[in-house]
Order: sequence, then C-alpha cells, then structure tokens
Amino acid sequence: KNEVEQSPQNLTAQEGEFITINCSYSVGISALHWLQQHPGGGIVSLFMLSSGKKKHGRLIATINIQEKHSSLHITASHPRDSAVYICAVVVSGSRLTFGEGTQLTVNP
Amino acid sequence: NAGVMQNPRHLVRRRGQEARLRCSPMKGHSHVYWYRQLPEEGLKFMVYLQKENIIDESGMPKERFSAEFPKEGPSILRIQQVVRGDSAAYFCASSGRTGSYEQYFGPGTRLTVT
Repeated sequence: KNEVEQSPQNLTAQEGEFITINCSYSVGISALHWLQQHPGGGIVSLFMLSSGKKKHGRLIATINIQEKHSSLHITASHPRDSAVYICAVVVSGSRLTFGEGTQLTVNP
Repeated sequence: NAGVMQNPRHLVRRRGQEARLRCSPMKGHSHVYWYRQLPEEGLKFMVYLQKENIIDESGMPKERFSAEFPKEGPSILRIQQVVRGDSAAYFCASSGRTGSYEQYFGPGTRLTVT
C-alpha cells in the first residue's frame, strides 16, 4: 500500500464546476505539498501545508493532521486548469514522497 | 531571479552510453533533490545533496547511478551504461536551508535511451 493515496485518479469536469481532489497518507508527516504538472511535464508547487487551510486565487488547500487527509479545491474551474495534480508529503528528513497523481480534464 | 535550471531538457542516448544531467538550483539555495518519473508512473525520490555532501541517497539504484553537488557549479546526476529502463523524466528541486520543506522544481530532463 502506498504511503500516499490520491482520489480520484481521473476527473473530468465541465468549465465552471467546483472540483475536489483528495489525498490520504498513512504516516506522520512534517508537511504536505500540492503540485501541478502540465502536459509537457513541468512541475509547479501550488501549496505547502502543515496545518489548516491556504488559498491562492481559485485554489484552496486544506489539511487535517489528525485524520491524515488533505484536499485541493478548485472553484470555477477552467480548461486551463487541466493538468495532473500531485500530493506529496515530507515523511523523514526533507525528501518528498508522492501520490500517483490525479489527471484533471476541464471541458469548455 | 532565475528559477531552478536543468539541462539538457531532452537527452537521447544509446544503450551503454553515459548520461549526465545538470541542475542549477535557485540563487542562494544549497540543497538539491533529484526525483525520477518513469513513464506512466509517479515521481520517486532518488537523492538529496547539499554542497559537497550526499545527505540521503536511499532512492538511488545501487549500480550505474551517481550524483554530486560540487562547491562550484551545478549538481550532476550521472547514469553510466544506460539501459532502456532508464528512460524517464528526471527532475531536480532546490531548497534554501536545512529544515525548510519548500522545494522549487526545475523543468526536468527527459532521457530517452534507444
């Protein structure tokens, strides 16, 4: 069993919909990252969380340390949000352990 | 304020050749991480380096792979005698200080072994 599980693996939405991607982890962590990977492959860091909630534009990330769970929300989704979203945790030291990613497609 | 730079962006090697991948961290950063993304798979940690030191190499294959981060110049991930299974995207990330969990990713090097 992976230390980091994401759901869903694939998600298709219509433009304007509210989107939620979930991440569960099975070990104690120091921090959690949400990353975005576009076709062509570059990786962008969206958020780093160790508690609570962060918001940036239409993106919101939350984490519940007790439940070992984080969510990434996208409000008013747009086709340009189409990408792979990856949850990654810091378990030991500072290296990242990654989920398998969620492929999001937003149709116009 | 340049971000993390990797070169080359694409590298084609024949089986048995050597591949050298370079990573220049963000200005002022002295910590570098290398990650590998095999086709249709998730990212996996390979190695964590500080200037002139390997801190954690628990994710490195035991043979043919090595990494360094010299006092001057970029970090180098070296793969000797490449095989088709080495074909992947290799990303590096940098951070600024010990204990910081922020990491900034480079654009990656896509290695194809023919």
